[in-house]
Amino acid sequence: AQKITQTQPGMFVQEKEAVTLDCTYDTSDQSYGLFWYKQPSSGEMIFLIYQGSYDEQNATEGRYSLNFQKARKSANLVISASQLGDSAMYFCAMRETGNTPLVFGKGTRLSVIA
Amino acid sequence: KAGVTQTPRYLIKTRGQQVTLSCSPISGHRSVSWYQQTPGQGLQFLFEYFSETQRNKGNFPGRFSGRQFSNSRSEMNVSTLELGDSALYLCASSLGGALDYGYTFGSGTRLTVV
Repeated sequence: AQKITQTQPGMFVQEKEAVTLDCTYDTSDQSYGLFWYKQPSSGEMIFLIYQGSYDEQNATEGRYSLNFQKARKSANLVISASQLGDSAMYFCAMRETGNTPLVFGKGTRLSVIA
Repeated sequence: KAGVTQTPRYLIKTRGQQVTLSCSPISGHRSVSWYQQTPGQGLQFLFEYFSETQRNKGNFPGRFSGRQFSNSRSEMNVSTLELGDSALYLCASSLGGALDYGYTFGSGTRLTVV
């Protein structure tokens, strides 16, 4: 079964606008971590933001924030004030307890238009 | 500090050959994970090494193998290459253990099998 689901294969956003990238996950663990990564065309995976399952506050890192809704098992990434350089693939990922590997969703390709 | 270094960046091999990819983690990181990324399958976990021991293994055939040295550098080997092995191979290093220990990725090795 798919552990991470990203339902938006591609998204367009106008420069300076905000955009939300969706991510839902499936786990029976109580303790887990959720991550978002950005992958530009160069190929490198760049870490953006982390949310722990026990964290009460939504994580924020600069223009990135994570809208964490535990009961709905969703961890959406919000990018505020989009920039042309934000155009890339975005991946949601999860780690469960017990030294399990990081598991990725299929990704969302974000295109920022001027 | 130096990031994760993967060599070579690009590689072209012929079907039936074997290939070895290298990954040097961030200094102090004891965990190295390998992922295969293809347009059709997305990011798939290959294996993880921690302190020279394979800790996790993904669902790949035995042609894919790896190892980790005492300095935490890791290599992965693919024998009897197939056209379907063409992919971006990403290595990630981590301190290991705690859920919030993020993975830092290298720029990847793009393997083309002809």
